[in-house]
Amino acid sequence: DSGVTQTPKHLITATGQRVTLRCSPRSGDLSVYWYQQSLDQGLQFLIQYYNGEERAKGNILERFSAQQFPDLHSELNLSSLELGDSALYFCASSVRAGGLYNEQFFGPGTRLTVL
Amino acid sequence: GDSVTQMEGPVTLSEEAFLTINCTYTATGYPSLFWYVQYPGEGLQLLLKATKADDKGSNKGFEATYRKETTSFHLEKGSVQVSDSAVYFCALSSLESGGSNYKLTFGKGTLLTVNP
Repeated sequence: DSGVTQTPKHLITATGQRVTLRCSPRSGDLSVYWYQQSLDQGLQFLIQYYNGEERAKGNILERFSAQQFPDLHSELNLSSLELGDSALYFCASSVRAGGLYNEQFFGPGTRLTVL
Repeated sequence: GDSVTQMEGPVTLSEEAFLTINCTYTATGYPSLFWYVQYPGEGLQLLLKATKADDKGSNKGFEATYRKETTSFHLEKGSVQVSDSAVYFCALSSLESGGSNYKLTFGKGTLLTVNP
């Protein structure tokens, strides 16, 4: 158990809908990262927050957004969902904002299925 | 941009066999290198890391050596167990060009199945 929690574990929805994925980082970690894992694209970095502020952006679509709240939990909002958004979404957390040795701890993921 | 290339899977071995999963990378500067493991139904866990050339990372019988001259970080284990069945990801951490952020770039993962 990494100490990172994600809810829900599974989510099934229809195209055009909007969903919210939730992540609680390990106690004491200030950084939260979101990743998308799909069969064709592999593991893709989406976005990072550090202590409530957006820190880095990866391959995140404009239909997706995220935020980190004062209690440091984070939410990833996915809207106007398409079939291709079906994937496993991971949250990770770390103590620091970055650095070569900044280990990220991953949650168990949320599996999103868009029908 | 930075990239990580891993050998295509799946890899199927018998218990006690020798394991090698190849990983090569392309990066500017001097990245740190990692192997992550994902057991069925779970998130990724850091398996081992190496932060500079010729460093050897090791954990749970797995080893990988940071080879700058061949830009490689191959994962090895002398005798695999059924419990090692998982997906293994090679990754690098590097400074974004023109920025102050470090990003983690993953390979596509290699599925390992170990049969008793």
